Amino acid sequence: NAGVMQNPRHLVRRRGQEARLRCSPMKGHSHVYWYRQLPEEGLKFMVYLQKENIIDESGMPKERFSAEFPKEGPSILRIQQVVRGDSAAYFCASSAKRDSSGRYFGPGTRLTVT
Amino acid sequence: DQQVKQNSPSLSVQEGRISILNCDYTNSMFDYFLWYKKYPAEGPTFLISISSIKDKNEDGRFTVFLNKSAKHLSLHIVPSQPGDSAVYFCAASGNQFYFGTGTSLTVIP
Repeated sequence: NAGVMQNPRHLVRRRGQEARLRCSPMKGHSHVYWYRQLPEEGLKFMVYLQKENIIDESGMPKERFSAEFPKEGPSILRIQQVVRGDSAAYFCASSAKRDSSGRYFGPGTRLTVT
Repeated sequence: DQQVKQNSPSLSVQEGRISILNCDYTNSMFDYFLWYKKYPAEGPTFLISISSIKDKNEDGRFTVFLNKSAKHLSLHIVPSQPGDSAVYFCAASGNQFYFGTGTSLTVIP
């Protein structure tokens, strides 16, 4: 039973390019959460999705960031026109139910913007 | 607005002794609390949790204590082992998870 998978593990982008981060939840999990960890900070919630629906995007920056979780395939966190301040570790987590337990994290994608 | 705070960025403990990691929160509506452990270059892994209706939960060497009146929880690891060296995040659950900034624990052999 594979855990939560994220790819790529490391991503380097120049300022102004687009970054696409992928997250495949654990088998049987239909709830996906994205978090960002900036240097020297804790994990910050960004967005919560169920299949084909965004449930809570209160932590998403208003511009340049978007997320989707299509019926088939992984969840995608997309950052357009990246800036240096977007450099961070992005983690996704998945769960089978929308409750407080059983939330499993992926290994993260480290985005570096040069 | 940091709703969950871990005021100690780092902690060093001798092997075999007790490690106590602390966490404070501001929102009395939080109803579930969790501790995660994180090694470098890996995602956080769930360690132990506690519901707001309890004040203690124990799992092997790990015990979490919750003091609702003080809005404080702590994680006790006893005896501490070198493999426990990692960053520990506490999290509180409302509509979403709120994480603290982490405490880096080093267990000295």
